[in-house]
Amino acid sequence: KAGVTQTPRYLIKTRGQQVTLSCSPISGHRSVSWYQQTPGQGLQFLFEYFSETQRNKGNFPGRFSGRQFSNSRSEMNVSTLELGDSALYLCASGQGGVAFFGQGTRLTVV
Amino acid sequence: GDSVTQMEGPVTLSEEAFLTINCTYTATGYPSLFWYVQYPGEGLQLLLKATKADDKGSNKGFEATYRKETTSFHLEKGSVQVSDSAVYFCALKSGGSNYKLTFGKGTLLTVNP
Repeated sequence: KAGVTQTPRYLIKTRGQQVTLSCSPISGHRSVSWYQQTPGQGLQFLFEYFSETQRNKGNFPGRFSGRQFSNSRSEMNVSTLELGDSALYLCASGQGGVAFFGQGTRLTVV
Repeated sequence: GDSVTQMEGPVTLSEEAFLTINCTYTATGYPSLFWYVQYPGEGLQLLLKATKADDKGSNKGFEATYRKETTSFHLEKGSVQVSDSAVYFCALKSGGSNYKLTFGKGTLLTVNP
């Protein structure tokens, strides 16, 4: 089976812009969750989707949003980008109590 | 709320040395516990897991035992290799069907030949 696929791998955006990141889960997995990884804050949970519904949400501002499609693929969107949004964004798909991670999207805000 | 505290390091060892990375947790109920590993420029890979008290997870020579009485899940390996150099994360998932993970800060391990 193919693993979790995230696109793009790298992004450079300007402050104030918005960005959309994509995640394709492992085939058959219905749960997709998103995490932000920064040197200062470590790994922080953003949100989780299951069967197109947001099941859990972390403590992030409303500029961070997501959605899941009927084929379980997920996107996350960050609007009005700030310099502090520069991070590695990781997506994970879950089944059997285990989360499997993609390679991440490295977002740099300049 | 849930939290994970792990030894932050960095940890530097010589090849074939014994490794321990400490991890303790706070959670309600009976969480599942995990160790993930992250190599430079990559995402997280599941190293091992344990889902109930006294379970021992093991993989690639690494082991960790779920100790409910001490709320710990320490990672050990008897003989490390240069290829084990990476960042190691301890994580927990509270009971239920969700996949919200709480992570420790990570421990950078460097193994020298």
